[in-house]
Amino acid sequence: EVQLVESGGGLVQPGGSLRLSCAASGFTFSRYWVRWVRQAPGKGLEWVANIKPDGSETYYVDSVRGRFTISRDNAKNSADLQMKSLRAEDTAVYYCTRDSGPLDYWGQGTLVTVSS
Amino acid sequence: EIVLTQSPGTLSLSPGERATLSCRASQTVSGSYLAWYQQKSGQAPRLLISGASRRATGIPDRFSGSGSGTDFTLTISRLEPEDCAVYYCQQYSSTPRTFGGGTKVEI
Repeated sequence: EVQLVESGGGLVQPGGSLRLSCAASGFTFSRYWVRWVRQAPGKGLEWVANIKPDGSETYYVDSVRGRFTISRDNAKNSADLQMKSLRAEDTAVYYCTRDSGPLDYWGQGTLVTVSS
Repeated sequence: EIVLTQSPGTLSLSPGERATLSCRASQTVSGSYLAWYQQKSGQAPRLLISGASRRATGIPDRFSGSGSGTDFTLTISRLEPEDCAVYYCQQYSSTPRTFGGGTKVEI
């Protein structure tokens, strides 16, 4: 059974940092792109970042480029999203997804709240 | 960037009725690389349809997708109470991958 489990969310002050993790199981992790998608409270879905299967390429939405870093460890079947200089507008549930073209599997999400 | 516009914003129907959800793209979605997701309250989204018309594993056949180019449709042929959710379309033909704003289906 394919599973994606996010962790690391929480309350952080503006300007602070947080590292989200995604633990994958039930499939050959190293063959798939990983994409982080977020959803602000009461809002729609927004792509944040994605990473190639071998980790050699990464892409970011403009609003997080330079502040967020996506990475992966195929030996550990995991992907991380390092978030720095957090802003109130980064408050959202962050989902880790398996990217097969369509996003065919989603984690349960982890809530990040940026507030003083 | 391809902008996806979903309509209507909210659809209020009764069980057994047919629901038709629209997703219109600002540019051609090549290869019909369009997906539909269902998100129930408090849950993560779930893939329903990919390639505009291909149902994902385990999705009931009352869900169907159609369309090409810039106009796509998700149809729920006979609404069940558990279909109450927000439905999103997403294109994966070009970067950045974009989502529509969603259609809320109330039953």
